[in-house]
Amino acid sequence: QQQVRQSPQSLTVWEGETAILNCSYENSAFDYFPWYQQFPGEGPALLIAIRSVSDKKEDGRFTIFFNKREKKLSLHITDSQPGDSATYFCAASGLSGGSNYKLTFGKGTLLTVTP
Amino acid sequence: EAAVTQSPRNKVTVTGGNVTLSCRQTNSHNYMYWYRQDTGHGLRLIHYSYGAGNLQIGDVPDGYKATRTTQEDFFLLLELASPSQTSLYFCASSGGGAEQFFGPGTRLTVL
Repeated sequence: QQQVRQSPQSLTVWEGETAILNCSYENSAFDYFPWYQQFPGEGPALLIAIRSVSDKKEDGRFTIFFNKREKKLSLHITDSQPGDSATYFCAASGLSGGSNYKLTFGKGTLLTVTP
Repeated sequence: EAAVTQSPRNKVTVTGGNVTLSCRQTNSHNYMYWYRQDTGHGLRLIHYSYGAGNLQIGDVPDGYKATRTTQEDFFLLLELASPSQTSLYFCASSGGGAEQFFGPGTRLTVL
């Protein structure tokens, strides 16, 4: 059973466009949602995260929009740059429940930004 | 910033072989994790630990053992390696908050 789903599997945008990466989850106990960025040959690194008490989290060109009722969230990357080309993982954790400190990851979205 | 190192970075073994992957973190983090990453599957948790001598079962533990010898060191053991365990393995650590810091990965090939 896949608890965190991501779409699309891959996405190509032109430099300067907004890339939208989608994520959905099934477990209502999840209340913390980090996005990790991974470049080839490296381990994933935390990019931005949101808690379920918020519906939006912004950090520069990266914004998470969160819809708790629909169990959906999305990562928007505005003014996309070639350096943003990477794999993005949506993850989820239930910090307030019994699954503290465990992250469940989606399968990832491969983003390519074309100059 | 968190520092997590893994060794070896690449490993080739044969079916039935014995493999140990090593991970060290120098941040005094309590939590350490082992994941495998496969195309089409993302990151899947194998085992994790919240301190020396502690071991918790992850989501895909079959065929793997792990041991946390110190706060810094976490090992993943494959005692009878199989081709299905060919994968990219990541170690991560966490200080108890939700952010995990990942190592650079070990690519394991089982022939």
